[in-house]
Amino acid sequence: AQSVTQPDARVTVSEGASLQLRCKYSYSATPYLFWYVQYPRQGLQMLLKYYSGDPVVQGVNGFEAEFSKSDSSFHLRKASVHWSDSAVYFCAVSAPNYNVLYFGSGTKLTVEP
Amino acid sequence: EAAVTQSPRNKVAVTGGKVTLSCNQTNNHNNMYWYRQDTGHGLRLIHYSYGAGSTEKGDIPDGYKASRPSQENFSLILELATPSQTSVYFCASGDWGGAYAEQFFGPGTRLTVL
Repeated sequence: AQSVTQPDARVTVSEGASLQLRCKYSYSATPYLFWYVQYPRQGLQMLLKYYSGDPVVQGVNGFEAEFSKSDSSFHLRKASVHWSDSAVYFCAVSAPNYNVLYFGSGTKLTVEP
Repeated sequence: EAAVTQSPRNKVAVTGGKVTLSCNQTNNHNNMYWYRQDTGHGLRLIHYSYGAGSTEKGDIPDGYKASRPSQENFSLILELATPSQTSVYFCASGDWGGAYAEQFFGPGTRLTVL
């Protein structure tokens, strides 16, 4: 069975600083991996996904993530955060042939001015 | 643009009452999903559907039923609501397979069961 762990419930960074949000997954083969963002009182929006090929994937608004099979990780990164990036970020995993997502518990990002 | 709408957006129900949450998508996606979101748990899958007339149990189906009468509509039904079902419910639609794998989410329904 698939599962996702996001070890940091809350992360605070200063505007302009770099960011890494951690995600570890559990799955026996290579899964599909996703990062979603949730702004206050809204639904989730996909930032990026990995399903094959280059382990570094680019997403919207300058976000990128790197898939590591050896480490079972899919960490999200951004070189320079903006106050508007404050939100809750969810990592999710799925088996390639099974269109159901399993979500981590989320990381609340606060960007301070 | 992909669109998933939910109604109602907010609902207060009494214990033992029946609650129906509705979801409509204009994406023509085959798959639809119902999740609930609780602090510390992320999103957990309740029911999903592969198309009109089909429903499948997710990870936490107890106390919930689902109905998919058409490609566009997917309902979540709480026959006998309990306070433990107080939560925010999200509907999603999506297709699957490689580059097309993605789920599009509605804005959520906040349900309070008193």
